[in-house]
Amino acid sequence: GAVVSQHPSRVICKSGTSVKIECRSLDFQATTMFWYRQFPKKSLMLMATSNEGSKATYEQGVEKDKFLINHASLTLSTLTVTSAHPEDSSFYICSAIPTDLPYEQYFGPGTRLTVT
Amino acid sequence: KQEVTQIPAALSVPEGENLVLNCSFTDSAIYNLQWFRQDPGKGLTSLLLIQSSQREQTSGRLNASLDKSSGRSTLYIAASQPGDSATYLCAVRPGTGRRALTFGSGTRLQVQP
Repeated sequence: GAVVSQHPSRVICKSGTSVKIECRSLDFQATTMFWYRQFPKKSLMLMATSNEGSKATYEQGVEKDKFLINHASLTLSTLTVTSAHPEDSSFYICSAIPTDLPYEQYFGPGTRLTVT
Repeated sequence: KQEVTQIPAALSVPEGENLVLNCSFTDSAIYNLQWFRQDPGKGLTSLLLIQSSQREQTSGRLNASLDKSSGRSTLYIAASQPGDSATYLCAVRPGTGRRALTFGSGTRLQVQP
């Protein structure tokens, strides 16, 4: 089956620093990937749509200059949290849509970010 | 804007009981509806996916139904087991336009041995 990986699975960083999270589709190409955020005991909220070769589309209320998304290849999207603050601590999950199976969507295992 | 609601928010049942989790959505123009399981601190496990043209899907002890016109779905779990304890999320994919999912807030299930 299709596999999406995320790296790292857990990261702790200090306030003010930047951290990069990778989302990879391991056995398929994905023109479109999504980044979601989940706060404790809350549901997943879409942050942005990552499109290969073009700029990401951000949801209302998500700062594009703070959450930098790069989708430079058909198998990799990265989310960089810049100048992280404790309120950015959350569970970040990506999903990917296979280019040749646009009706499917596969989720990564998530990345737990803690900002101290 | 699509809104997805799940009731109840939390549920505790003794082992062996049959149970029903509810999901409702405000915009019936969906492409499909999916039920996920999430264990604490973990990612999502897809349980069942129902296309908009389908009425139900079954997998083992799980049965999910969809009434698109009324904006409702139910997840039926038969003969519950302690290993079923988790948070269950339902999510809908819009019928047109972007393909991101809109998630409900989940039902936290605890099955007591």
